[in-house]
Amino acid sequence: LAKTTQPISMDSYEGQEVNITCSHNNIATNDYITWYQQFPSQGPRFIIQGYKTKVTNEVASLFIPADRKSSTLSLPRVSLSDTAVYYCLVNGGATNKLIFGTGTLLAVQP
Amino acid sequence: DAGVIQSPRHEVTEMGQEVTLRCKPISGHDYLFWYRQTMMRGLELLIYFNNNVPIDDSGMPEDRFSAKMPNASFSTLKIQPSEPRDSAVYFCASSILAGDLMDTGELFFGEGSRLTVL
Repeated sequence: LAKTTQPISMDSYEGQEVNITCSHNNIATNDYITWYQQFPSQGPRFIIQGYKTKVTNEVASLFIPADRKSSTLSLPRVSLSDTAVYYCLVNGGATNKLIFGTGTLLAVQP
Repeated sequence: DAGVIQSPRHEVTEMGQEVTLRCKPISGHDYLFWYRQTMMRGLELLIYFNNNVPIDDSGMPEDRFSAKMPNASFSTLKIQPSEPRDSAVYFCASSILAGDLMDTGELFFGEGSRLTVL
């Protein structure tokens, strides 16, 4: 499974756009890139998944360059409730096995 | 749907006691995962099942840990005997494989079982 590297923590203010970048240099052809969000005392929750280029949903956007060796999760206009740990994962194939890294703790301040 | 249901939500026990954690996956999901989360080690995958069959248990820390899935709607994770270092939040998650082998299904997590071993 491909290893991912992301910042341990980030700070932001309400209303700002936040971009969290994840590197996955040894991503395999079959791998998808998936981001999860975890609030304290809760299990992780799926945010977005993509394979290449750009994916957007009601919560976030995911930008994936052509070489797919990195990806950027973009959260538009964050609020205090977006304070959480964000995990980047790469996985593929038929196993659904997901290995979580250390994640990025995003702290949003007023 | 009620989502993934775990019990108990909290358990405090003494070293040496047997602990059983329970999980009911989302109906229709054919994958079930057990994770453990601690501050030091983060989220660790312990074991996962596909159609009630254990596929990969390489994350199970030692033979004090065992997991079963007797049917599609129930799984247990047992620790016997328990030790203080087993204190953690244990998450169960379920998913369904997407139709395309290139895709991966979204994991739905339960709220976790917080275990404290004294």
